[in-house]
Amino acid sequence: DVKVTQSSRYLVKRTGEKVFLECVQDMDHENMFWYRQDPGLGLRLIYFSYDVKMKEKGDIPEGYSVSREKKERFSLILESASTNQTSMYLCASRLGQGAFFGQGTRLTVV
Amino acid sequence: DQQVKQNSPSLSVQEGRISILNCDYTNSMFDYFLWYKKYPAEGPTFLISISSIKDKNEDGRFTVFLNKSAKHLSLHIVPSQPGDSAVYFCAASGSGGGADGLTFGKGTHLIIQP
Repeated sequence: DVKVTQSSRYLVKRTGEKVFLECVQDMDHENMFWYRQDPGLGLRLIYFSYDVKMKEKGDIPEGYSVSREKKERFSLILESASTNQTSMYLCASRLGQGAFFGQGTRLTVV
Repeated sequence: DQQVKQNSPSLSVQEGRISILNCDYTNSMFDYFLWYKKYPAEGPTFLISISSIKDKNEDGRFTVFLNKSAKHLSLHIVPSQPGDSAVYFCAASGSGGGADGLTFGKGTHLIIQP
């Protein structure tokens, strides 16, 4: 079974802090994604990567950046956290048509 | 503009009956569709998918129907069980071979009543 692991289940950060969310997949998938989920808005794509050191903006990239130095690891970075970035963050890994998600990180920015 | 729409934010169904969740899409380039189930504080888990070359796919209690001309798909769960209570997301993908992200609907919260 594909395993996608996010480093933290719950995080509380202060406004203005730099925040790193880490995601690791163990199935050698080339494609990895970061989504955020908010009530009434569904899952929205922030950034994705189709290869090491490659990245593409999704639908809502503002305020975020990403890093993919190794195939198995895809990091989401909040350069200066703001309260409107309080959300559930979901990492996914994809090969072909299916996509597998991590357990999610509930980030609260205070 | 929403490309994948789930117009029912919630649905309540009695245990043992059929649950029908609906999804509409606008982008004719979508050719693969998936349903995910999500419990609170967990990541979505894959349920069932369908390619645009098919009109039906069945897996146990779950069946997905695709009507391409109407750009509509539905998920049928029968019989519904208490553990089916969750948020269900419809997702669509183009023919990018997996390199493009999935586009999700806003979800339908299914509540199974005992």
